[in-house]
Amino acid sequence: GQNIDQPTEMTATEGAIVQINCTYQTSGFNGLFWYQQHAGEAPTFLSYNVLDGLEEKGRFSSFLSRSKGYSYLLLKELQMKDSASYLCAVSSSNYQLIWGAGTKLIIKP
Amino acid sequence: IAGITQAPTSQILAAGRRMTLRCTQDMRHNAMYWYRQDLGLGLRLIHYSNTAGTTGKGEVPDGYSVSRANTDDFPLTLASAVPSQTSVYFCASSDGGDHTGELFFGEGSRLTVL
Repeated sequence: GQNIDQPTEMTATEGAIVQINCTYQTSGFNGLFWYQQHAGEAPTFLSYNVLDGLEEKGRFSSFLSRSKGYSYLLLKELQMKDSASYLCAVSSSNYQLIWGAGTKLIIKP
Repeated sequence: IAGITQAPTSQILAAGRRMTLRCTQDMRHNAMYWYRQDLGLGLRLIHYSNTAGTTGKGEVPDGYSVSRANTDDFPLTLASAVPSQTSVYFCASSDGGDHTGELFFGEGSRLTVL
């Protein structure tokens, strides 16, 4: 079967760095997405990786290793507004997105 | 800029009733999608449409139907609601079809079936 695994919940301190991991097993691969979802709101796009390596976008970076079926989202200089759920999604062989259950990130002052 | 508009925002519905969730986008995106989000589970695709006039089944299509008469509108209908359809429903769109590229989501419709 196809599945996406990510930690259910993580806690970090304001100003620190946190890494949210995502491992996947899918039939085919056409890219990996990260979305941010604040409580009670819609998901919003953060990043897309299709090739191995690190993509940096401001305080957020996303890494992909296709051979290991692994990605991480790195958040630097954490702010209270970063408290949210982070969703990992993989585009599989038929281009349908397989979603992880999300990682709830709690930022403490 | 509206993006994607969903209605209603929330609804309590008796089992067996028919319900249509509305979704309208003003970005002229080709593809539109309906997802449901349940606690502890990832988003699950119900139905999708890669372009006006076409629709396809997602992962959990049973009990739901959609239509795509034009580019902007993609309503989701529950013919006879059941309690297991209690969920938050998100409509989304993308410029390219087949989930290529960024998804833009509506604010969600919270549906409770009693």
